Amino acid sequence: DIVMTQTPLSSPVTLGQPATISCGSSQSLVHSNGNTHLSWFQQRPGQPPRLLIYKVSNRFSGVPDRFSGSGAGTDFTLKISRVEAEDVGVYYCMQSTQFPWTFGQGTKVEIK
Amino acid sequence: QVQLVESGGGVVQPGGSLRLSCAASGFSFSRHFMHWVRQAPGKGLEWVALIRPDGKIQNYAESVKGRFTISRDNSKNTLYLQMNSLRGDDTAVYYCAKDLDGSWTVDYWGQGTLVTVSS
Repeated sequence: DIVMTQTPLSSPVTLGQPATISCGSSQSLVHSNGNTHLSWFQQRPGQPPRLLIYKVSNRFSGVPDRFSGSGAGTDFTLKISRVEAEDVGVYYCMQSTQFPWTFGQGTKVEIK
Repeated sequence: QVQLVESGGGVVQPGGSLRLSCAASGFSFSRHFMHWVRQAPGKGLEWVALIRPDGKIQNYAESVKGRFTISRDNSKNTLYLQMNSLRGDDTAVYYCAKDLDGSWTVDYWGQGTLVTVSS
């Protein structure tokens, strides 16, 4: 199985400041079809996960443009340009290049 | 709008069985891959299973293979998860989720249903 490793596991951030979460995979996420199937999800307290980013850098419908994804191969990043109070929650990366699909451990974003 | 509503969770003894359902609306259910993903209390997300739109292909996490069966009834817009030989580590909130067409990820999730395996 592909192991997904996120850092940091906890990220205290000041409102209005940026936040960066890293996600590394144990093997390349480039699929034989040429796509890289790396997604990011946000899970607010008590809520189901919400898709933010798919295929590394594509923002899902309705996701604010302060969220951006980047990376390639085995190293990926989610950036929140200016953290707002509603961004508090746990963020997960997920690879869907190879079965079984696997998630990172999650990164908790909280306000300082 | 897309709605996914899970049901069927509850408390079951180790070794028991349970069938979860997920009622879908607001999209063309029969055209989409569907998934089950679970989350143990206070823990992270674990992908469980996938089923092709026509129901003929399924894929499972190793932890549930041979015990869980994903199925669907496109005439009823409903996804199922039959869970047998349940163990304590199957205790989790079970979410159904639909795929993002053509992008090999999941976009919309239900609110989840809690399964507790305990004697």
